[in-house]
Amino acid sequence: GAGVSQSPSNKVTEKGKDVELRCDPISGHTALYWYRQSLGQGLEFLIYFQGNSAPDKSGLPSDRFSAERTGGSVSTLTIQRTQQEDSAVYLCASSLWDEGDEQFFGPGTRLTVL
Amino acid sequence: DQQVKQNSPSLSVQEGRISILNCDYTNSMFDYFLWYKKYPAEGPTFLISISSIKDKNEDGRFTVFLNKSAKHLSLHIVPSQPGDSAVYFCAASAEGSNYQLIWGAGTKLIIKP
Repeated sequence: GAGVSQSPSNKVTEKGKDVELRCDPISGHTALYWYRQSLGQGLEFLIYFQGNSAPDKSGLPSDRFSAERTGGSVSTLTIQRTQQEDSAVYLCASSLWDEGDEQFFGPGTRLTVL
Repeated sequence: DQQVKQNSPSLSVQEGRISILNCDYTNSMFDYFLWYKKYPAEGPTFLISISSIKDKNEDGRFTVFLNKSAKHLSLHIVPSQPGDSAVYFCAASAEGSNYQLIWGAGTKLIIKP
């Protein structure tokens, strides 16, 4: 079946512009996660959605970052007024709630802020 | 404060030999550990996991060992194959926060023919 998909695969933007990154999780997966990976670093947790519960936003680095998940499926991560330090690969993952921690990842969006 | 550390950025191993990837952690509340494998331009894929009640878990060529007193885990791949060349990430979670994985920086494994 289809895995997690993300779009765009690459995004180059100018400092100060807003960007939107999209994630389509695996159908039926109730949990959705956003991570980012900066060069030479491990994955950094950003935000977690589980069903209709309030998302856990504790990993968002600043108020320029926000995310939504519409209809319990597709999610968008928005970064406002991008800064050069936002340059990273943004990864989305989904999991079945009762599968514990096995998260299935999308290919990521490589964001470059000039 | 890096709670999960993979101190070797890269490792080169001859095909057919054993690959040993290491991971250290500092948070004693971690009770579940996972290894993920990542190819270029792809997301990480789950490889193997271990809970803190065990000290070893095996799946085919892959074995994960956990030493709780040393706060250390390792992934053994034997025999190593060319397709094993990838970046390997160690991740950990604490009881009650299973979804929030804390990740190491990864180790790039290169299998030489």
